[in-house]
Amino acid sequence: ETGVTQSPTHLIKTRGQQVTLRCSSQSGHNTVSWYQQALGQGPQFIFQYYREEENGRGNFPPRFSGLQFPNYSSELNVNALELDDSALYLCASSLSSGGRGAYGYTFGSGTRLTVV
Amino acid sequence: GESVGLHLPTLSVQEGDNSIINCAYSNSASDYFIWYKQESGKGPQFIIDIRSNMDKRQGQRVTVLLNKTVKHLSLQIAATQPGDSAVYFCAEKNQAGTALIFGKGTTLSVSS
Repeated sequence: ETGVTQSPTHLIKTRGQQVTLRCSSQSGHNTVSWYQQALGQGPQFIFQYYREEENGRGNFPPRFSGLQFPNYSSELNVNALELDDSALYLCASSLSSGGRGAYGYTFGSGTRLTVV
Repeated sequence: GESVGLHLPTLSVQEGDNSIINCAYSNSASDYFIWYKQESGKGPQFIIDIRSNMDKRQGQRVTVLLNKTVKHLSLQIAATQPGDSAVYFCAEKNQAGTALIFGKGTTLSVSS
């Protein structure tokens, strides 16, 4: 059984640029969530994807967007990067029915994004 | 509103001691709670979970207690080892059931 894998592990971008982060979910999981973790803080929910559609979103602006593919992998896209976007971006996969009953969230090791 | 917090930002214990990490939550309708361990440079690692229809759940060296009356959650680690040193987060599912809400974390330091 493979866990959640994320790529790249580290990334440096310039303010105003766009970035795409990738996540492969754990085998058997059908739901993917993305979280942003600032230094010294707990992870903050960005959004969740179930059946290739966004079915939950946290308090993040529209320049944060995502995709889920038929194999349950996912991408997080961030446009017009700001310095405050510098953080660890975590992907979590889970198994849910209907997108709301998810349990057993498994996290990847994250992508460390630095915006300069 | 929905929020999860931890009582202490840091906890220092000696190897072999038992550790207790506490967490308070505000959403009385929360039905699922998880404890995660996060080591430096890594993602949160699942430790143990509990559903609201239970008061206690035990794993290997860990026990989670849930007190719904006072909306309090605790993680007990028996015979704490240096490898247990990490940041510990409690998390609850939000009302919509689509996300986990994390507290700020407790840093556990174990000295030998």
